[in-house]
Amino acid sequence: EDKVVQSPLSLVVHEGDTVTLNCSYEVTNFRSLLWYKQEKKAPTFLFMLTSSGIEKKSGRLSSILDKKELFSILNITATQTGDSAIYLCAVPDSGTYKYIFGTGTRLKVLA
Amino acid sequence: DSGVTQTPKHLITATGQRVTLRCSPRSGDLSVYWYQQSLDQGLQFLIQYYNGEERAKGNILERFSAQQFPDLHSELNLSSLELGDSALYFCASSVVAGTYNEQFFGPGTRLTVL
Repeated sequence: EDKVVQSPLSLVVHEGDTVTLNCSYEVTNFRSLLWYKQEKKAPTFLFMLTSSGIEKKSGRLSSILDKKELFSILNITATQTGDSAIYLCAVPDSGTYKYIFGTGTRLKVLA
Repeated sequence: DSGVTQTPKHLITATGQRVTLRCSPRSGDLSVYWYQQSLDQGLQFLIQYYNGEERAKGNILERFSAQQFPDLHSELNLSSLELGDSALYFCASSVVAGTYNEQFFGPGTRLTVL
């Protein structure tokens, strides 16, 4: 069965720290992996990683995909209180367009 | 603002009742997805439509049904509601139905079943 596991479940850091969030996946036919940030309401898109795009960067956020070891990491450098959110990763399952989401990592950044 | 709209924002109802949640996708998006998010379950995929046709189905209960109309808006119908159906229901849309497309999420409908 296809699945997505995120770790850690929860993380508390101080402003300025660097964090690394993990997402491991098991799908028979990998196509893409997406990262989302969810604050109080709807998830907002951060990155999409595919076989042809295994590294993405936007400001203080960056993500890489390791297709051999079946995981992705999301790095946030110089964290700010505004980075406090739940970070979700998702992959489409092997046979359909159904997206499987991990349970998320809850990040809290303290001032 | 993602451009996806959902109504109502909040819904409080009693067990056994039936409710309809509405979603309008972003302009130009043909695909609509429905998700359920509860505290202990995370974000669970329910169903996807593409241009009016059902494209993928997740762990959607038989008491739940959905459809996408010719104007591309979608409705999720939940019937014989139970306490456990209390959750945040999100709609998302994307341009097409493929797996290389970003999904844009609406603000969600919070359903409380008493």
